[in-house]
Amino acid sequence: NAGVTQTPKFQVLKTGQSMTLQCAQDMNHNSMYWYRQDPGMGLRLIYYSASEGTTDKGEVPNGYNVSRLNKREFSLRLESAAPSQTSVYFCASSDWYGYTFGSGTRLTVV
Amino acid sequence: DQQVKQNSPSLSVQEGRISILNCDYTNSMFDYFLWYKKYPAEGPTFLISISSIKDKNEDGRFTVFLNKSAKHLSLHIVPSQPGDSAVYFCAASAQSNDYKLSFGAGTTVTVRA
Repeated sequence: NAGVTQTPKFQVLKTGQSMTLQCAQDMNHNSMYWYRQDPGMGLRLIYYSASEGTTDKGEVPNGYNVSRLNKREFSLRLESAAPSQTSVYFCASSDWYGYTFGSGTRLTVV
Repeated sequence: DQQVKQNSPSLSVQEGRISILNCDYTNSMFDYFLWYKKYPAEGPTFLISISSIKDKNEDGRFTVFLNKSAKHLSLHIVPSQPGDSAVYFCAASAQSNDYKLSFGAGTTVTVRA
């Protein structure tokens, strides 16, 4: 009963470094999402993929790229990390409004 | 500009009493509303939802009320239990929007023994 698996759980980056956050789901969902959670801001959509082979920008896409590798996997890449990208990142999948979220990646950029 | 607003960052309630969480939205195209619950170090989990064609939906101790004319919804938890202590997020979506959800900032509920 894995659901949505995110790796890593924690990461510290230096400004300018790059990294990829991995996400995989085993529920055969078509849609996958990346959100970030910041204090007082709730969850904000970064990118989403409505189906395999498609990706679209969300509310806060600047500084990020995504890849829908296959139906199971949806990765988020930071090409040049900035302190403003310090946040908790959540991946989710769904076939309706009831998302299944991963447990999150806590990213700190120093 | 946040389209879903939860104006109360926190709520403290005694065990056994009612918890009432409020949420306002600005986008009149929203037609489906949800509440998610989040514990520390975990992802949010779906709690309850309501379609815009209804004004109330009940699931056990949880009831969601929708007032479309006021663009307002609320979540009632009766009776409140210690395990209800968590962050609650209100979310909304418009039809044919790839199930994309807009979330509020969240309300932290603390249930006191």
